[in-house]
Amino acid sequence: GAGVSQSPSNKVTEKGKDVELRCDPISGHTALYWYRQSLGQGLEFLIYFQGNSAPDKSGLPSDRFSAERTGGSVSTLTIQRTQQEDSAVYLCASSLGIGDSGNTIYFGEGSWLTVV
Amino acid sequence: AQSVAQPEDQVNVAEGNPLTVKCTYSVSGNPYLFWYVQYPNRGLQFLLKYITGDNLVKGSYGFEAEFNKSQTSFHLKKPSALVSDSALYFCAVRALISGTYKYIFGTGTRLKVLA
Repeated sequence: GAGVSQSPSNKVTEKGKDVELRCDPISGHTALYWYRQSLGQGLEFLIYFQGNSAPDKSGLPSDRFSAERTGGSVSTLTIQRTQQEDSAVYLCASSLGIGDSGNTIYFGEGSWLTVV
Repeated sequence: AQSVAQPEDQVNVAEGNPLTVKCTYSVSGNPYLFWYVQYPNRGLQFLLKYITGDNLVKGSYGFEAEFNKSQTSFHLKKPSALVSDSALYFCAVRALISGTYKYIFGTGTRLKVLA
């Protein structure tokens, strides 16, 4: 697609429910990233994919968080048993690759998650 | 540790005046540096990047940034600020950490341009 697409754009869920957030990267981009941004704050790295594999999962905050990527394209971030502290904007980004010099990463509009 | 610092939480500037948003970095090797802008309730938009070459990099919306290796800085500048430039600005660096490239973002600087 023309840009990084994320869905849903907004999600309100009850504490304890599971949520799935979807990211469709720019066509041809092999690298995909998930970040989390709490209200008005900086970016917290969650996970990075190169193709379908995730060389770096170091930012996932707990075992309630998981992510997968299939077909080297769409990625899903799943949060199980949501807690109120999970409320944030979840930003997805993609780039052509990671090995090429200075690749720019492009962000989607984010999925705004509110846990009530 | 490899890091990016944005020392100012907020910068206020009058419309028409020049603006500077500061960024310093600490990485091993040659840094790849980026600036992004985030408008309210939106994702981050790429403004410009420095890879190599000229120290002055020009980007979108009339912004430019100056790479200074000796001062390990990459300050964002614009000669004449517009009210519409009011937004949250993030500096980022690509760094090699434990054999993996990571994009490290600063904490952001809120720019307020006053009419």
